[in-house]
Amino acid sequence: GQQVMQIPQYQHVQEGEDFTTYCNSSTTLSNIQWYKQRPGGHPVFLIQLVKSGEVKKQKRLTFQFGEAKKNSSLHITATQTTDVGTYFCAGNQGAQKLVFGQGTRLTINP
Amino acid sequence: DGGITQSPKYLFRKEGQNVTLSCEQNLNHDAMYWYRQDPGQGLRLIYYSQIVNDFQKGDIAEGYSVSREKKESFPLTVTSAQKNPTAFYLCASSIIQGGFTEAFFGQGTRLTVV
Repeated sequence: GQQVMQIPQYQHVQEGEDFTTYCNSSTTLSNIQWYKQRPGGHPVFLIQLVKSGEVKKQKRLTFQFGEAKKNSSLHITATQTTDVGTYFCAGNQGAQKLVFGQGTRLTINP
Repeated sequence: DGGITQSPKYLFRKEGQNVTLSCEQNLNHDAMYWYRQDPGQGLRLIYYSQIVNDFQKGDIAEGYSVSREKKESFPLTVTSAQKNPTAFYLCASSIIQGGFTEAFFGQGTRLTVV
């Protein structure tokens, strides 16, 4: 079945440092989504990428979708304490079955 | 006020008992999902449904059952066959049109076996 792998599992940075998490799928995806879950909260949608090679930005966050539509990345520039949480990618293979990666838990030293 | 509501927020179950978690949405979404999250872990798909009276197993369906008698409701029953049910359960819904499938999550139910 479809598998979505995400690395790293944990990342600790100093405030102001950059952060990147990577997502890889065993199958070609129709789209990929990114979510953020704050400690004690529920996942909240950040963005969706649909096109091969697509790059989208949200302020300090940059999202990329690979040319083969099997991998994606989220990069945060100059992290702030408000960025703390777990970031998940989720792949959709077109059958409305949304499969999540294991998530990358980001902690920040102020 | 549109959204997706899960209840209860906390639930305690004795071993050997079945328990049902509620999930209701008023977003008019076609698709609904149940995920299980263990401490420090990702979200694992239990069941999903794209339309009323139809649902499919996810990756960890054993020991769980669902129903989708109404578009708004997708209750999850954790049966006694689920050997390790203590976890955080998240329900989500999304639309099915135009290829856009942003999922909206409920606040979750934390189930503890005592």
